[in-house]
Amino acid sequence: AQSVTQLDSQVPVFEEAPVELRCNYSSSVSVYLFWYVQYPNQGLQLLLKYLSGSTLVKGINGFEAEFNKSQTSFHLRKPSVHISDTAEYFCALGYSSASKIIFGSGTRLSIRP
Amino acid sequence: NAGVTQTPKFQVLKTGQSMTLQCAQDMNHNSMYWYRQDPGMGLRLIYYSASEGTTDKGEVPNGYNVSRLNKREFSLRLESAAPSQTSVYFCASEQSTEAFFGQGTRLTVV
Repeated sequence: AQSVTQLDSQVPVFEEAPVELRCNYSSSVSVYLFWYVQYPNQGLQLLLKYLSGSTLVKGINGFEAEFNKSQTSFHLRKPSVHISDTAEYFCALGYSSASKIIFGSGTRLSIRP
Repeated sequence: NAGVTQTPKFQVLKTGQSMTLQCAQDMNHNSMYWYRQDPGMGLRLIYYSASEGTTDKGEVPNGYNVSRLNKREFSLRLESAAPSQTSVYFCASEQSTEAFFGQGTRLTVV
């Protein structure tokens, strides 16, 4: 069975500091990996996705993630965060188009001025 | 450009009442999903539909039914609401691995 683990439920950082949100997955088959962001009282929107090819994936708002097959990880990074990045971030996996999309439990990113 | 539209946005039910959450997408996507979001638990899949006319159970289907009425619409029904179904419900549609979410329905069962 496939699963996604987000290791940190909350991550506080200072504005303009770098941040890494951790995600590990478990699957017996090849997967697609995603990061979604949820701003307060809104639905989720896609930040970035890994389907195949280059293991470093760039997304919107300056975020990037690196797929590491040997460590079964897909950590999200940003070199310098802004107050507007305050949100909850979800790692997710799928294994084909139209397959189930399985989400992690989320990481709440709070930015301190 | 509406995307995925959910109705209602808020609902309060009494235990034992029934209701249907509506979802419609205007992107001509084949796949649609219903999730519930609870604090600390992320999004859990209730049901999904890979195409018009098909539905499959997700992680937490008990207490729910779904109908894929046509390609656009995918409804979620609670036949006899329970307090454990208090949650925020999200509908999503997906094409070529990218999922698009509605704004959510906040349901409280008292």
